[in-house]
Amino acid sequence: NAGVTQTPKFQVLKTGQSMTLQCAQDMNHEYMSWYRQDPGMGLRLIHYSVGAGITDQGEVPNGYNVSRSTTEDFPLRLLSAAPSQTSVYFCASSSEYRTSHEQYFGPGTRLTVT
Amino acid sequence: SQKIEQNSEALNIQEGKTATLTCNYTNYSPAYLQWYRQDPGRGPVFLLLIRENEKEKRKERLKVTFDTTLKQSLFHITASQPADSATYLCALDGGSQGNLIFGKGTKLSVKP
Repeated sequence: NAGVTQTPKFQVLKTGQSMTLQCAQDMNHEYMSWYRQDPGMGLRLIHYSVGAGITDQGEVPNGYNVSRSTTEDFPLRLLSAAPSQTSVYFCASSSEYRTSHEQYFGPGTRLTVT
Repeated sequence: SQKIEQNSEALNIQEGKTATLTCNYTNYSPAYLQWYRQDPGRGPVFLLLIRENEKEKRKERLKVTFDTTLKQSLFHITASQPADSATYLCALDGGSQGNLIFGKGTKLSVKP
């Protein structure tokens, strides 16, 4: 199993550009989520999904969109990039929508917005 | 809302000693608490989960305690090795949404 994969690993955007961060998992997990990690702050939840066709907002959803058309994929879209979105983005999956289950994280995408 | 504090940003210890990391939380008591390890440039990796009715959990050289009265979890690494150097994150459920809330992490450095 590849686990959770993310592409790209690195990305530089200009302010106002849009892009999609890709996330895929091959563990047949129902629950998937996106976090951002900034220096001096913990991981913060952006959006999550409890199954195909179902998504919801996390703590910091503004400026981001998600969709979940399949169990495997959960892309994160930046609509109009801003310097405040410079961060490291992690995708995670879990077998259930419960905090009693461990989360599997991808390797991350390091995004810089200039 | 739930708040987590890992009260040391960095911890430096000598190889062979026991490292003890602290995670404190406020507001309601979570049913579960998790610990993750994160190496530079990588995603967090799950280590241990402890339930509110479990006082202690062990896995090889790792031990986690959960004191719901003190609202605190301690994470111990015995016989520490330089390979244990990493950032350790605690996480617990965030309330009504049921998602994990992460602490900022403690960076552990084990010197030979």
